[in-house]
Amino acid sequence: EPEVTQTPSHQVTQMGQEVILRCVPISNHLYFYWYRQILGQKVEFLVSFYNNEISEKSEIFDDQFSVERPDGSNFTLKIRSTKLEDSAMYFCASSPPGNNEQFFGPGTRLTVL
Amino acid sequence: QQQVKQSPQSLIVQKGGISIINCAYENTAFDYFPWYQQFPGKGPALLIAIRPDVSEKKEGRFTISFNKSAKQFSLHIMDSQPGDSATYFCAAINNAGNMLTFGGGTRLMVKP
Repeated sequence: EPEVTQTPSHQVTQMGQEVILRCVPISNHLYFYWYRQILGQKVEFLVSFYNNEISEKSEIFDDQFSVERPDGSNFTLKIRSTKLEDSAMYFCASSPPGNNEQFFGPGTRLTVL
Repeated sequence: QQQVKQSPQSLIVQKGGISIINCAYENTAFDYFPWYQQFPGKGPALLIAIRPDVSEKKEGRFTISFNKSAKQFSLHIMDSQPGDSATYFCAAINNAGNMLTFGGGTRLMVKP
């Protein structure tokens, strides 16, 4: 069964450094998302992406964040200058056209020291 | 108004029992209500979902009950098994977009 994949599984970085989290959505899906989950808390929406542009973003998704689909398969989340409070699990998700079902990847645990 | 409130925060059920998790929302523009199951260290996995035009949906041991007038929906897990022990999240999407708004989660433990 096709699934969303994410790399790396765990990323440790120093405060102020840039990180790029990578995702490969399910191949025939057209909508892509990033969510984050701070340890022990609920999952929070960051951004959705469709047709090579952002379609929705939350208040969390400020100027430090950006997303890109650099080729036909990858979808990336960049955090320009990481803060301690960016430490969380970051989940990528994708959904097919005409369908609300969102399928989540296994997540990248980001630890900012 | 975008919030989805979920209860209880944690639940302990004996094997074979019924697990019930409740959610409530305010935004009447929500029109798709999925439930996700999450095991430690894993991403949320879609379990079952419902639209407000039906009051109940059943898939195997999992049933969603939906009360549109009360703006509440619940997940029932029949014949609960130790393998069902996980965190369950309700969520909602409004008809103007595709952002999932999650509830706070319920940590379910099914005792053998």
